[in-house]
Amino acid sequence: EIVMTQSPATLSVSPGERATLSCRASQSVGSNLAWYQQKPGQAPRLLIHGASTRATGIPARFSGSGSGTEFTLTISSLQSEDFAVYYCQQYNNWPATFGQGTKVVIK
Amino acid sequence: EVQLVQSGAEVKKPGESLKISCKGSGYSFSNYWIAWVRQMPGKGLEWMGIVYPGYSDITYNPSFQGQVTISADRSISTAYLRWGSLKASDTAIYYCARGGSSTSYGFSSYDLWGQGTLVTVSS
Repeated sequence: EIVMTQSPATLSVSPGERATLSCRASQSVGSNLAWYQQKPGQAPRLLIHGASTRATGIPARFSGSGSGTEFTLTISSLQSEDFAVYYCQQYNNWPATFGQGTKVVIK
Repeated sequence: EVQLVQSGAEVKKPGESLKISCKGSGYSFSNYWIAWVRQMPGKGLEWMGIVYPGYSDITYNPSFQGQVTISADRSISTAYLRWGSLKASDTAIYYCARGGSSTSYGFSSYDLWGQGTLVTVSS
């Protein structure tokens, strides 16, 4: 099974600042990497697929990059609604696996 | 409206059986993979397995193989997750999520999620 490791576990950011979240795979997943946002009491929401393609309706301040084993989610200017937990997921191999999550909190 | 609607919260005792459901609407249910994802209290997301309703092709995460049964009935656009004998450690929220079309062979991200079903197992 491919292990996905996210860092940091918690990211403290002020509104309007940039947030950079990292995700590392234990072996190459190509570009088969997605990012999700989850708010308390809600289901996850797809933000990015194919490592860098924004899902339908996702604002341009969210961007993804990387390939192989190293990936990054960048939120260019944090809005109040962006404080949440973010998960990466690889879908290159079964079982699909998720990272443990990065919680973005208000500084 | 394109949506997945899951069955309601359940409270069960250890050893009891349970089947929860996920009904798709607003799209061709048969032509998209449906995955099940577990989220234990305060924890992250775990992929349990996936089904293609069009021909009931099913793949399990080895960690869940033998513990649950995944199925789908394309005639009523519904996927299921079943336990034969629940344990306290099955207490979690269970999500269904839509994957790609048949050509993805199940290797895809999940663009549509159900609202989750909370399963509580307690004596």
